[in-house]
Amino acid sequence: AQSVTQLDSQVPVFEEAPVELRCNYSSSVSVYLFWYVQYPNQGLQLLLKYLSGSTLVESINGFEAEFNKSQTSFHLRKPSVHISDTAEYFCAVILGAGANNLFFGTGTRLTVIP
Amino acid sequence: DTEVTQTPKHLVMGMTNKKSLKCEQHMGHRAMYWYKQKAKKPPELMFVYSYEKLSINESVPSRFSPECPNSSLLNLHLHALQPEDSALYLCASSQGLGGANVLTFGAGSRLTVL
Repeated sequence: AQSVTQLDSQVPVFEEAPVELRCNYSSSVSVYLFWYVQYPNQGLQLLLKYLSGSTLVESINGFEAEFNKSQTSFHLRKPSVHISDTAEYFCAVILGAGANNLFFGTGTRLTVIP
Repeated sequence: DTEVTQTPKHLVMGMTNKKSLKCEQHMGHRAMYWYKQKAKKPPELMFVYSYEKLSINESVPSRFSPECPNSSLLNLHLHALQPEDSALYLCASSQGLGGANVLTFGAGSRLTVL
């Protein structure tokens, strides 16, 4: 069973427009949620994380995500995208406090159009 | 130092060759990981080491042999690989095991098997 689902494989958006990348997870235990970004031909960089506490988490470059337990979602949003945001975005989850495997979604390719 | 360093960045090898991928971190992290990422796919866990001991082996073929000589180094020895093993190999580290430990990834080693 898929632990984390990213429904949108590709999201094209015009520069300075808002964007939402969707992520849903399936778990009955406590979860730890992450968004990683991968620029072309590079490794993964942590964008933001939800471990506990405030359900709204923010990154330093304007992205934010909200943990919604009732909807089992952790959607990523940015109010105004830049060309440099073009990349692959992966939602990931660790299921349970004692778990060690970071499960990745299938990724969403964000393309910002000038 | 907040980086995970992987060498080489690119590797081309024949099916009869023996080669190694190397990973190094100096953040004092005690858990280290190998992930495999095929083109346009999410990363998949291969191995987890905790305190230099193999903790998880995700049923990886024996032609991949991990080694953790000390707490800062993680190697992946490659022998008799197949063309389908061509992928981006990502190393990661975290302070410890368990859900709240955030993984820091290296830039990856891109392997091509001829």
